[in-house]
Amino acid sequence: DAGVTQSPTHLIKTRGQQVTLRCSPKSGHDTVSWYQQALGQGPQFIFQYYEEEERQRGNFPDRFSGHQFPNYSSELNVNALLLGDSALYLCASSVTDSYNEQFFGPGTRLTVL
Amino acid sequence: AQKVTQAQTEISVVEKEDVTLDCVYETRDTTYYLFWYKQPPSGELVFLIRRNSFDEQNEISGRYSWNFQKSTSSFNFTITASQVVDSAVYFCALSEASGNQFYFGTGTSLTVIP
Repeated sequence: DAGVTQSPTHLIKTRGQQVTLRCSPKSGHDTVSWYQQALGQGPQFIFQYYEEEERQRGNFPDRFSGHQFPNYSSELNVNALLLGDSALYLCASSVTDSYNEQFFGPGTRLTVL
Repeated sequence: AQKVTQAQTEISVVEKEDVTLDCVYETRDTTYYLFWYKQPPSGELVFLIRRNSFDEQNEISGRYSWNFQKSTSSFNFTITASQVVDSAVYFCALSEASGNQFYFGTGTSLTVIP
C-alpha cells in the first residue's frame, strides 16, 4: 500500500516564475492538505482540499492556489515566486471524519534563486 | 487563536539517557486533538501519537510515553533509554475538532550521542 507521494523531490526556480507541485494521497484517503515548512520552522498550513474544493485556508496570499482532481490527487501552484517561498512543501492526506490522522509525504524542496 | 510552543530548540543526550520534550498549547476550543510527529533528516513527518482533549490518560508505547495535562495545557513526550535512531526533529501539533487545520510548534531537534 503506497503512502503519500509527492513530485518532484527537488525544484529550483528563479524569482517571478511559477511552480506546480503534485501530491498523490494514500490509498483510500479523500482529503489533501498542503503545508509550507521553512528551514528551522514547523510546517505552516496552506490549505486543504476535499471533494475537489478548497475547504479551509491558512494565512497565505492568493499567489498560492491549488486543485484537487477526481482521483483525489492534488496540485499546489505558486505564482510570482519570491525568495521567501523557498521551503519544504509537505502534502498530507487523510480520510474525512477519521479522527484527524494525517499521513505526510516526503515533501518537495523548492529553492527560489 | 491556536498556538503550540516548543520552548526547547535543541537537546543533546547521551545514549540510554531519558529525555523529555515539552509542548505547551493554547486554544479556546473545548474539543481538539494533540499530536506528536517525528521528522528524520529525510524530511517525511512520521506520526507518533494522537490524543483528544477528553482523554487525559497517559500513554506508553515501548520506550515512548506521553503526559497530557489539561490543567497546564501541556502534552509532553518522554523517550526512555534513548537510542541514536531517535535523533530527529520532533514536532508537537494541535488541530481543531474539524481536523481541517493543524498548528505545529517550531520543533525540538534531538541529538542522541553514542
